[in-house]
Amino acid sequence: GAGVSQSPSNKVTEKGKDVELRCDPISGHTALYWYRQSLGQGLEFLIYFQGNSAPDKSGLPSDRFSAERTGGSVSTLTIQRTQQEDSAVYLCASSRRDIGNTIYFGEGSWLTVV
Amino acid sequence: AQTVTQSQPEMSVQEAETVTLSCTYDTSESDYYLFWYKQPPSRQMILVIRQEAYKQQNATENRFSVNFQKAAKSFSLKISDSQLGDAAMYFCAYRSKGRSGGATNKLIFGTGTLLAVQP
Repeated sequence: GAGVSQSPSNKVTEKGKDVELRCDPISGHTALYWYRQSLGQGLEFLIYFQGNSAPDKSGLPSDRFSAERTGGSVSTLTIQRTQQEDSAVYLCASSRRDIGNTIYFGEGSWLTVV
Repeated sequence: AQTVTQSQPEMSVQEAETVTLSCTYDTSESDYYLFWYKQPPSRQMILVIRQEAYKQQNATENRFSVNFQKAAKSFSLKISDSQLGDAAMYFCAYRSKGRSGGATNKLIFGTGTLLAVQP
């Protein structure tokens, strides 16, 4: 597609439930990133995928968070047993190394845990 | 580890005037990328301008320009002829450049500066 696509745009879930957030990167982009942005805060790195290499999971805040990327394209971020502190905007981004390494972002998924 | 600091949580500018947003960073690397991103209320992060550390010339994109001071590790953004549509949160970001010459993993962001444009 023309840009990074994320779904759902907004999600309200009950505490303790699992949620899945989806990211469809720009076609041809080999790198994919997940960031978290809490209200009024900057962006917190979560995880990075690059081609077939092992992902960099160093930013995942706990073992309740996981992500996968199937076929080198679409990625799913899963949060298990959601807590209220998980409420945030989850931003996905992608980049292609041979185009100046610029990272392009999606519009994010706004997660609210009640 | 690299860090990015934006010391101005909020700024305000009159329409058609010029404003400068500050950013400093800390790194031991000699080659890297620096970026300014704009985030309007729609949440979409939009790339405003980028700078490669090995290039001494300051990057310019229309009304947006940077003052890159490598020795001082400073990377400020100047917005000229400010417009109402410039109102947004602005983030400064750093990205390492790997040995191969390609960038590696994550952008490291500052905490942002909220810019208001007064009519």
